[in-house]
Amino acid sequence: EVQLVETGGGLIQPGGSLRLSCAASGFTVSRNYMSWVRQAPGKGLEWVSIIYSDGSTDYADSVKGRFTISRDNSKNTLYLQMNSLRAEDTAVYYCARDALGGNYYYMDVWGKGTTVTVSS
Amino acid sequence: EIVMTQSPATLSVSPGERATLSCRASQSVSSNLAWYQQKPGQAPRLLIYDASTRATGIPARFSGSGSGTEFTLTISSLQSEDFAVYYCQQYNNWPPYTFGQGTKLEIK
Repeated sequence: EVQLVETGGGLIQPGGSLRLSCAASGFTVSRNYMSWVRQAPGKGLEWVSIIYSDGSTDYADSVKGRFTISRDNSKNTLYLQMNSLRAEDTAVYYCARDALGGNYYYMDVWGKGTTVTVSS
Repeated sequence: EIVMTQSPATLSVSPGERATLSCRASQSVSSNLAWYQQKPGQAPRLLIYDASTRATGIPARFSGSGSGTEFTLTISSLQSEDFAVYYCQQYNNWPPYTFGQGTKLEIK
């Protein structure tokens, strides 16, 4: 069964750092594009970052320079290192697998999410 | 960045009736559009990709249509489990992927 499980969320003070993990099963992370998407309380979905199968990465402007996406192929796990956290980073963070459609990639499998709260 | 606009924000429909949800892109996204369903406290669930292809395990009462800038998600006969928030998302011009703000489908 294809599954994603996020961990690592919690309460953190503004300016602090946190690393989220996303353990995958049923498929190989390194052979896929993988994304992080977040959802602030009561709000919609916001794409955060992607890592491509070749290891290159992209970020939303709102997190560029503060967040780093990576993966550990031996653990089949995706990560999101979040530094210089702000109150507006408070959200549920989902990892998702990107699948190839007719032309481009959409998100076909999602984890259940992990909650990050940035507050003093 | 492509802006996705969904309408209406809230749709009230009775069980057994048809629901029609709309999504508009600020510029053409071809057919590179997905629809997701999200229930309270749960992760989004993929319903439709490539504008009209149902994802694995999605019932036939869900259908998607459109291309370019105008898209529609239709639920032909609403079941109790269909009341949720629905998001459209474009993946034609990325990064960034962009989502609509969501349509809440509620019981009338």
